[in-house]
Amino acid sequence: AQKVTQAQTEISVVEKEDVTLDCVYETRDTTYYLFWYKQPPSGELVFLIRRNSFDEQNEISGRYSWNFQKSTSSFNFTITASQVVDSAVYFCALSEAGLLYNQGGKLIFGQGTELSVKP
Amino acid sequence: SQTIHQWPATLVQPVGSPLSLECTVEGTSNPNLYWYRQAAGRGLQLLFYSIGIDQISSEVPQNLSASRPQDRQFILSSKKLLLSDSGFYLCAWNLAGLAGGQVQPSTDTQYFGPGTRLTVL
Repeated sequence: AQKVTQAQTEISVVEKEDVTLDCVYETRDTTYYLFWYKQPPSGELVFLIRRNSFDEQNEISGRYSWNFQKSTSSFNFTITASQVVDSAVYFCALSEAGLLYNQGGKLIFGQGTELSVKP
Repeated sequence: SQTIHQWPATLVQPVGSPLSLECTVEGTSNPNLYWYRQAAGRGLQLLFYSIGIDQISSEVPQNLSASRPQDRQFILSSKKLLLSDSGFYLCAWNLAGLAGGQVQPSTDTQYFGPGTRLTVL
């Protein structure tokens, strides 16, 4: 069965610290997609990144970086030099090509990690 | 560019009352549309998805229903709300897939609206 696990429920750091949010997924499909979303206090889910299962290259976007390792079924997210504005709940999600036609490409979400960055 | 709207932003309703939440997308045609609910425990659950007008699929059996009267409009309804319907309702869209000229579901990125916070008392 498909599953996304974000074992860290809450993380608290001081501004300028680096922080890594863990995401472990389970799937039997060979074609799948992984996502990270940010949910600030306002509630809207903001898309951060999408990776497909055939592209294991790590990605960096400003202070954000993602480490995708199929061998450990992990897709971890690191924020470098954290800022107060990074405080939010972060969700990792999975979508499988095999479920496309009977479950509409639905996103399977982890439970989220609440990141608090203190000044 | 594409934008997605939801209203109302906040709603407080008594148990047993009806519900209608609206979602509209601008700047794109033939989107796939989705309704998710986020309960207090933070997990998001897919309720309904739609690949076209009057084409709705339900993921979880409950007292909610969805309709898509226009291409870019998705409505979540209930005839009688339950306490357990309280939560944060999020609408999302993505680009539809195409196969043989037919619109299909897609694993393209889903973009979310601002959400509706529903409290049932």
